[in-house]
Amino acid sequence: DAGVTQSPTHLIKTRGQQVTLRCSPKSGHDTVSWYQQALGQGPQFIFQYYEEEERQRGNFPDRFSGHQFPNYSSELNVNALLLGDSALYLCASSPPSGRAGGDEQFFGPGTRLTVL
Amino acid sequence: QKEVEQDPGPLSVPEGAIVSLNCTYSNSAFQYFMWYRQYSRKGPELLMYTYSSGNKEDGRFTAQVDKSSKYISLFIRDSQPSDSATYLCAPGDSSYKLIFGSGTRLLVRP
Repeated sequence: DAGVTQSPTHLIKTRGQQVTLRCSPKSGHDTVSWYQQALGQGPQFIFQYYEEEERQRGNFPDRFSGHQFPNYSSELNVNALLLGDSALYLCASSPPSGRAGGDEQFFGPGTRLTVL
Repeated sequence: QKEVEQDPGPLSVPEGAIVSLNCTYSNSAFQYFMWYRQYSRKGPELLMYTYSSGNKEDGRFTAQVDKSSKYISLFIRDSQPSDSATYLCAPGDSSYKLIFGSGTRLLVRP
């Protein structure tokens, strides 16, 4: 059973450019969350997608946007890249559950983005 | 004050030792608590998930939650060099997002 997969593994961009990162959830999972992890820090929540809509958003500017497809896979888009956007971007998927807000989140290996 | 606080370490122990990793939080709305292990340059791996105060055991790992003092612990018995990693606590509330601590780096010496 494949876990959460992310592509690409590494990416180098320059300031002002735009980037798209991709995520496929674990089989049977329907919810996808995105996190940003700076070096030496814990992951920070960007947003969560469920039923193809953004269900919850963290404290990130509108330059960060996303999408979820009918097959539950997801994309994270970042526009007008800044040097401070350099980080490990993590995708996590969760199984269907009746528990309000509280489901296990399983992470992928991440995409390391470097902005020059 | 950060919502979730962890001692960054590094915590260095000999192989076979019992390891205690701790986390404090300030938000009383947190209902569920996860512990993740993260190896260098990899994604976090879910170790434990608890939804109430008390203890939960899984193999060599025991998670302990004390909601009254807002204190979370992870114990590792018979620690192995392969346990050397960063351990992240991540409580959550009904808002679907996890709030991570900055992690504690653990080094188990052979």
